[in-house]
Amino acid sequence: DIQMTQSPSTLSASVGDSVTITCRASQSISSWLAWYQQKPGKAPKLLIYKASNLESGVPSRFSGSGSGTEFTLTISSLQPDDFATYYCQQYSSYSPMYTFGQGTKLEIK
Amino acid sequence: QLVESGGGLVQPGRSLRLSCVASGFTFDDYGMHWVRQAPGKGLEWVSGISWKGGRIHYADSVKGRFTISRDNARNSLYLQMNSLRTEDMALYYCVKARTAAGGIDAFDIWGQGTMVTVSS
Repeated sequence: DIQMTQSPSTLSASVGDSVTITCRASQSISSWLAWYQQKPGKAPKLLIYKASNLESGVPSRFSGSGSGTEFTLTISSLQPDDFATYYCQQYSSYSPMYTFGQGTKLEIK
Repeated sequence: QLVESGGGLVQPGRSLRLSCVASGFTFDDYGMHWVRQAPGKGLEWVSGISWKGGRIHYADSVKGRFTISRDNARNSLYLQMNSLRTEDMALYYCVKARTAAGGIDAFDIWGQGTMVTVSS
């Protein structure tokens, strides 16, 4: 089974900072990776698909990169609305077909 | 928009059927899925069904107990959950695959979820 490991689990930052979250896959998933943002009491929201493609309506301060087994989500110039939990997700033909990382909670410093 | 219903309190070993009604997009063009989230925990994909219903997949944790189905005429997705366990307790989200008539894909629309509580 493919395992997805995010780091760090918790990240403290200030408004205006730039932060990077890393997601590692236990085997190559090409570019089949998505990033989601979830706020308390809300459903997740798709930010990035196919590793680096910005979903429509998502601010350009969000960017994704990587391929194979290592991926990153970068948020430049953090805004108050960005403090949330972020999940990566692999979607490939391997079993299981969809696996989420354990999440990274981005907190206000 | 996706609106789930059918959650509630159920005893271990019993059954429950979740429903999801879709609007605002051509339902039968898209694969659909169920994703769950236990209280205070992360996201877990549960099951998915292709746009015409011909391909169905399950997570190992629910295989043989849960059945996903869809009724394209009613713009509806279902999840029949049998032999429920305490570890099935979670908020269940109905989600839409991003690309029409596509294969495996990211999830671009999520419902607000329906809570399933399994307890005696």
